[in-house]
Amino acid sequence: GEDVEQSLFLSVREGDSSVINCTYTDSSSTYLYWYKQEPGAGLQLLTYIFSNMDMKQDQRLTVLLNKKDKHLSLRIADTQTGDSAIYFCAEAYNYGQNFVFGPGTRLSVLP
Amino acid sequence: GAVVSQHPSRVICKSGTSVKIECRSLDFQATTMFWYRQFPKQSLMLMATSNEGSKATYEQGVEKDKFLINHASLTLSTLTVTSAHPEDSSFYICSARDPGQETQYFGPGTRLLVL
Repeated sequence: GEDVEQSLFLSVREGDSSVINCTYTDSSSTYLYWYKQEPGAGLQLLTYIFSNMDMKQDQRLTVLLNKKDKHLSLRIADTQTGDSAIYFCAEAYNYGQNFVFGPGTRLSVLP
Repeated sequence: GAVVSQHPSRVICKSGTSVKIECRSLDFQATTMFWYRQFPKQSLMLMATSNEGSKATYEQGVEKDKFLINHASLTLSTLTVTSAHPEDSSFYICSARDPGQETQYFGPGTRLLVL
C-alpha cells in the first residue's frame, strides 16, 4: 500500500534553518501537505504543494518536491522556539479521497 | 480555507458508557467525511470513511459495532464510541472532503479519556 516516511527527530539551534524530509510511494499523488501539531492540539495546515510544482515558498517556509525521487522537504528559515512541534507530511491522491500521513518528525529548537 | 469543527473538544467518561463526537463542515457541503485516530506519539490512522446517506466504510481492524458512524446530512457526521473502555482513550480527528477543492479539511480533534 501507499507509504509515507519521515525521520522521527530533528534538533536545531534557534536561528538556524530546519530541513524536514519526507518520502512517499504513490506516484499519482495530487497534492502533498505539511501539517504542524503542537502538544495536545490538532493539525495545523502549514503549506501544501501541487504535484506538478517543484518549489513553493511562503514566508519562512520553503517546500521542495522532487517528483522523480518522490521526495518532499520542508525548510523553515530562522527557526524559533515556537516552531518546536511535530511536523507531518501527507500525500493526497484519488482527488483528495485518500490521505496518507507520515509518522511525524519531532522538531526540537534549542536556545 | 474551509472550516471543520468538532464537538466536544475533550471528554472524560466512565468505562462502559457511550460517547458521541460530532464533526461539522461549516462552510461547505461534504459528501464524504473521514474519522482518524491518533494514539500518543503516533501518526493519524484512518478508521473509517463516512458517506452521506449510506453506510460507512471501515478500515481493516476497526470494529464497526464499536465505532458507530452516522452521516445524516451533508454537513454533519457523528462517531459514537460504544461501551468505551480505557484502551479507547485517544485523540479522534475528523476531516471533510471538499469535492470542489480535491482536498480534506481537518477538524481540531476530540480528546477522549475513558476512566
